[in-house]
Amino acid sequence: AQSVAQPEDQVNVAEGNPLTVKCTYSVSGNPYLFWYVQYPNRGLQFLLKYITGDNLVKGSYGFEAEFNKSQTSFHLKKPSALVSDSALYFCAVRDYNAGNNRKLIWGLGTSLAVNP
Amino acid sequence: DAMVIQNPRYQVTQFGKPVTLSCSQTLNHNVMYWYQQKSSQAPKLLFHYYDKDFNNEADTPDNFQSRRPNTSFCFLDIRSPGLGDAAMYLCATSRDGGGLREQYFGPGTRLTVT
Repeated sequence: AQSVAQPEDQVNVAEGNPLTVKCTYSVSGNPYLFWYVQYPNRGLQFLLKYITGDNLVKGSYGFEAEFNKSQTSFHLKKPSALVSDSALYFCAVRDYNAGNNRKLIWGLGTSLAVNP
Repeated sequence: DAMVIQNPRYQVTQFGKPVTLSCSQTLNHNVMYWYQQKSSQAPKLLFHYYDKDFNNEADTPDNFQSRRPNTSFCFLDIRSPGLGDAAMYLCATSRDGGGLREQYFGPGTRLTVT
């Protein structure tokens, strides 16, 4: 069965420290992976995606993610966290079981809290 | 700026009273999605349009309907809202690309059912 797992409900990090938000996946085809961020009472915003190519993907707001095929992971990272990065982060992957290929499988989300 | 707009941002309706949420986009994307999101959970896809082609999810209740009169607008109709339909409703758009394209989300409409 296809799935996305975000093993941590919450991540706490001090401002200025590096942050990592974890995501692992299981899909039946090539993994097309996405990270989205949701600030309180707002819609989701696209951060970055992996389709093919370099395993290190750079995205918005200084975020990057590392695709690791052998570990089936796509962890989100940032070298130096800001208080304004505090938000809910979702990992998602293309659903190969959806006939139209436009559906995503979403992780449950990880709440990131950056402490001043 | 090109964007996805949802109106209203907050909607209060009575149990059983039909309600319509609207979404418009200036991105000229051919795919438009409606999601339901409860309490910071993962968004749940209700249905989507590829141009005028409607794609319903198997587990979307019949109580939820949608209309897309043109490329720019899409509506979510809840025919008889129940208390369990209280949620954030998110509209999103994308260019079609076989699952390769990112989705652009509106700010959402928070629906309260009294």
